Amino acid sequence: AQTVTQSQPEMSVQEAETVTLSCTYDTSENNYYLFWYKQPPSRQMILVIRQEAYKQQNATENRFSVNFQKAAKSFSLKISDSQLGDTAMYFCAFMSYNAGNMLTFGGGTRLMVKP
Amino acid sequence: GAVVSQHPSRVICKSGTSVKIECRSLDFQATTMFWYRQFPKQSLMLMATSNEGSKATYEQGVEKDKFLINHASLTLSTLTVTSAHPEDSSFYICSAVSGGVGTDTQYFGPGTRLTVL
Repeated sequence: AQTVTQSQPEMSVQEAETVTLSCTYDTSENNYYLFWYKQPPSRQMILVIRQEAYKQQNATENRFSVNFQKAAKSFSLKISDSQLGDTAMYFCAFMSYNAGNMLTFGGGTRLMVKP
Repeated sequence: GAVVSQHPSRVICKSGTSVKIECRSLDFQATTMFWYRQFPKQSLMLMATSNEGSKATYEQGVEKDKFLINHASLTLSTLTVTSAHPEDSSFYICSAVSGGVGTDTQYFGPGTRLTVL
């Protein structure tokens, strides 16, 4: 079974600064996807970014980028130029190619962006 | 694209009654839908996986007879909480996966807050 660990329960960052959220996972599989989802106070889960394990290039979506280290089983999220609207819970998630699109979530990191 | 709706957004019911929550994929056909439960300040807990036209697969510890799931069409799945009790009060979230491009991504509904008095 896969596990996903987010070691930072809470973080804060000043507006316009950069912050990195950590995520590690454990799997014996070679083919999988990794995701970061954001859950703002509205509680709507929003896909932030996804990474396919076979791709060496780190995924980027505007101010959001990941540092994917497959050998280390690490998948951190970097948020640049943090905005007040980035305040949310962030969940790292793992999906195996062979698990019928099932996600395994980490425990979440609560990010507070301060003005 | 990839919009998932849930209805109702919040519901309050009396203990012993049943409540139905609908999950719809609005602009794509969802071959698979998932139902999650989320307690305050916690992660999402998968309850069951629902495939169109077949019985749902429940996670260990989830009572099948209490949480009835029906996936009657490619755009609709329903979760019925039967004989609800206060301990069933929670935030329920559904997600859907399409059968086309991007089948590896779950798209989430906005959630339903259930309060059982």
